[in-house]
Amino acid sequence: NAGVMQNPRHLVRRRGQEARLRCSPVKGHSHVYWYRQLPEEGLKFMVYLQKENIIDESGMPKERFSAEFPKEGPSILRIQQVVRGDSAAYFCASSPGTVIEQYFGPGTRLTVT
Amino acid sequence: KNQVEQSPQSLIILEGKNCTLQCNYTVSPFSNLRWYKQDTGRGPVSLTIMTFSENTKSNGRYTATLDADTKQSSLHITASQLSDSASYICVVSAANTGKLIFGQGTTLQVKP
Repeated sequence: NAGVMQNPRHLVRRRGQEARLRCSPVKGHSHVYWYRQLPEEGLKFMVYLQKENIIDESGMPKERFSAEFPKEGPSILRIQQVVRGDSAAYFCASSPGTVIEQYFGPGTRLTVT
Repeated sequence: KNQVEQSPQSLIILEGKNCTLQCNYTVSPFSNLRWYKQDTGRGPVSLTIMTFSENTKSNGRYTATLDADTKQSSLHITASQLSDSASYICVVSAANTGKLIFGQGTTLQVKP
């Protein structure tokens, strides 16, 4: 069984560009979570999605950030008009339901120049 | 405010030695506490998960303890190996929201 897959693993964007981060959950998992890890800090919750629904986006910045988990295909975290402060590692996790265990992907490291 | 504090921030030990990492939390209401290992450049991998009623849980050379009264947990690593070098993260789940609150992690370096 493949684990959570994220791509790209590394992404470099210039200020003002858009960043699209993809997450393919474990096969059969319908719950996806996105976290951000700023340098020298712990992971912080951003958003929790189920197929076609955003369940909790309380950790998402109000502007420029959006997330989706369509019926078909991976979950996408989209950051518009990136700024230097968006540079971080973005991790996706998935679970089969409202159970305890979340399985993390390897992360996407975004660098904004 | 729900918080998870870990100590020490970093630790260096010699291969074969034991070590203990600490975690204090103020998350309420409490659901469960997890310890994750995060290798450099990788995502966190679960080591143990403990609910309110569990005091200790082992996973190979890793043993986690939980004192729900004092809101403290520890992760004990026995007979350390070079591959134990990683960041160890304490994560507490809030019962009312289900959200995971992450500590900043303890960076462990095991030297030969």
